Amino acid sequence: ETGVTQSPTHLIKTRGQQVTLRCSSQSGHNTVSWYQQALGQGPQFIFQYYREEENGRGNFPPRFSGLQFPNYSSELNVNALELDDSALYLCASSFFGGVATQYFGPGTRLLVL
Amino acid sequence: KQEVTQIPAALSVPEGENLVLNCSFTDSAIYNLQWFRQDPGKGLTSLLLIQSSQREQTSGRLNASLDKSSGRSTLYIAASQPGDSATYLCAVRPPETSGSRLTFGEGTQLTVNP
Repeated sequence: ETGVTQSPTHLIKTRGQQVTLRCSSQSGHNTVSWYQQALGQGPQFIFQYYREEENGRGNFPPRFSGLQFPNYSSELNVNALELDDSALYLCASSFFGGVATQYFGPGTRLLVL
Repeated sequence: KQEVTQIPAALSVPEGENLVLNCSFTDSAIYNLQWFRQDPGKGLTSLLLIQSSQREQTSGRLNASLDKSSGRSTLYIAASQPGDSATYLCAVRPPETSGSRLTFGEGTQLTVNP
């Protein structure tokens, strides 16, 4: 059973640019959630994908968007980057329904200059 | 809106001590509560998950309790070790029909000194 993986591990962008982060779900999982964790804070829910559709969204603007693919992997896209977007981005996978324990990946550290 | 608070924000103890981390939440309508560990700059490792119908869960030196009616959970760590040093986060999940989004506290940063 493989765990949740994310790429890249680190990324540096400048304000106004666009970024794509990637996540591969744990084997057997069909739901992916994305979280943003600013330094010293708890993770904040961005959105969740199930059956390739957005299934819940937190308080994040539309420039945060995502995709889920048939193999349940996922992408997080952020357009028009702002300095405050600098954070650790975490992906979590789970099986929709039941206890649905979420398993987190190692995260992508994004720095916006 | 669900809010989760963790006290204390930071804790430093000598090796061998037993300790308690606290988590409170404002809306008792939860599906489950999960405790995580996070090492610096890393992802989250799930420690314990308590369903809303359960009172406690145990794993090794860790014991988590849940009092849903009062909106509280505690994580008890027995005989602490330097390797326990990390940030501990609690998170609540809303009722199942609301999806599986988690609301996190800000964490307790634990340092266990040799």
